[in-house]
Amino acid sequence: ELKVEQNPLFLSMQEGKNYTIYCNYSTTSDRLYWYRQDPGKSLESLFVLLSNGAVKQEGRLMASLDTKARLSTLHITAAVHDLSATYFCAVLPNAGGTSYGKLTFGQGTILTVHP
Amino acid sequence: EPEVTQTPSHQVTQMGQEVILRCVPISNHLYFYWYRQILGQKVEFLVSFYNNEISEKSEIFDDQFSVERPDGSNFTLKIRSTKLEDSAMYFCASSKDRHTEAFFGQGTRLTVV
Repeated sequence: ELKVEQNPLFLSMQEGKNYTIYCNYSTTSDRLYWYRQDPGKSLESLFVLLSNGAVKQEGRLMASLDTKARLSTLHITAAVHDLSATYFCAVLPNAGGTSYGKLTFGQGTILTVHP
Repeated sequence: EPEVTQTPSHQVTQMGQEVILRCVPISNHLYFYWYRQILGQKVEFLVSFYNNEISEKSEIFDDQFSVERPDGSNFTLKIRSTKLEDSAMYFCASSKDRHTEAFFGQGTRLTVV
């Protein structure tokens, strides 16, 4: 069974600081997704990482994927209050498997950015 | 921009009642999914649907649950004989194929009282 683990689960940051959220997964996959969720809201797609070494950046967020280490990171640069949300990584098993698009999510990281 | 839409946004039902949650996936997508998120917990896969049949389901998706695509646009999740522990946010999602990004609807918050 595919396991996806994020850490930390809770992250309290000061504005202006940098930090990284880690996502480890237990099976072969080169397709990993990061989502953002605001309280009571849906899942907003942030990044789609589709190969080893993939790096994507959007504003103050940068995501990377190391398929050999089965690790993805979400790096936050110079955090601002608007980034406060829950961040989920989700893994899709490799093509050729029997999984029909089933995403397995990490537990989520609750990020709070304060002044 | 195309989006997945879900109705209702919030449903309150009495224990033991049946509910139907509705979704309109993105029009050119072929794979449809239901996920569940109990308050404060992670998002859990329930079921995937392709070519008018269930392609994969989780252990959560037992006989209490069923899915249907009654016409060319809607995708529904029926929960029979609801229990308190069915209270959760239910998300519908769709994707072009099983290897590409899934887009999520805004969710239906189900409260069983």
